[in-house]
Amino acid sequence: KAGVTQTPRYLIKTRGQQVTLSCSPISGHRSVSWYQQTPGQGLQFLFEYFSETQRNKGNFPGRFSGRQFSNSRSEMNVSTLELGDSALYLCASTDEQGLDGYTFGSGTRLTVV
Amino acid sequence: AQTVTQSQPEMSVQEAETVTLSCTYDTSENNYYLFWYKQPPSRQMILVIRQEAYKQQNATENRFSVNFQKAAKSFSLKISDSQLGDTAMYFCAFMKQTGANNLFFGTGTRLTVIP
Repeated sequence: KAGVTQTPRYLIKTRGQQVTLSCSPISGHRSVSWYQQTPGQGLQFLFEYFSETQRNKGNFPGRFSGRQFSNSRSEMNVSTLELGDSALYLCASTDEQGLDGYTFGSGTRLTVV
Repeated sequence: AQTVTQSQPEMSVQEAETVTLSCTYDTSENNYYLFWYKQPPSRQMILVIRQEAYKQQNATENRFSVNFQKAAKSFSLKISDSQLGDTAMYFCAFMKQTGANNLFFGTGTRLTVIP
């Protein structure tokens, strides 16, 4: 059974640009969540999608957005990148309620210069 | 709001010895789930163990066990017979049972197993 796949693994962008990150969940999982991990703020929840609908959202500015496709794959977009957006972005998938725990991908390391 | 506190930024343990990582949390919820995740240098967060708050019995998974004290809002992880492969960051996490089911993470404990 394939795990959660995130692409790309590494990304370098310039301040002001936009970026799109991709996440393919475990087969059968319809819930996909995104987290930002930084040394200063730790792991913070961005948003969760279930059946193509955003079901839950963290406290991030509107520059951070996402979507989910009918095959449960999800994308996260960050517009007008700032230096502080440099982070490891982790995607996690689970069943409908998350009661079995989330399975995480290996993340995308985004560096904004 | 839910908060999770890990008061030990770094710990070390000799190979084959036992180590306990601490975690406390604050919530007004009565039903919730607690997790320990491991993040090795590969960056992937790996679920180590989970505990349902309504269960009094402490969860165990092979060499990993928890001491769950609901009244004290404490959830420590015990690793027995530590192995070199246990070297990683360990995160304690909380999730409500109903409503928004996102994870709230602690700041992590970096564990080093010394050969």
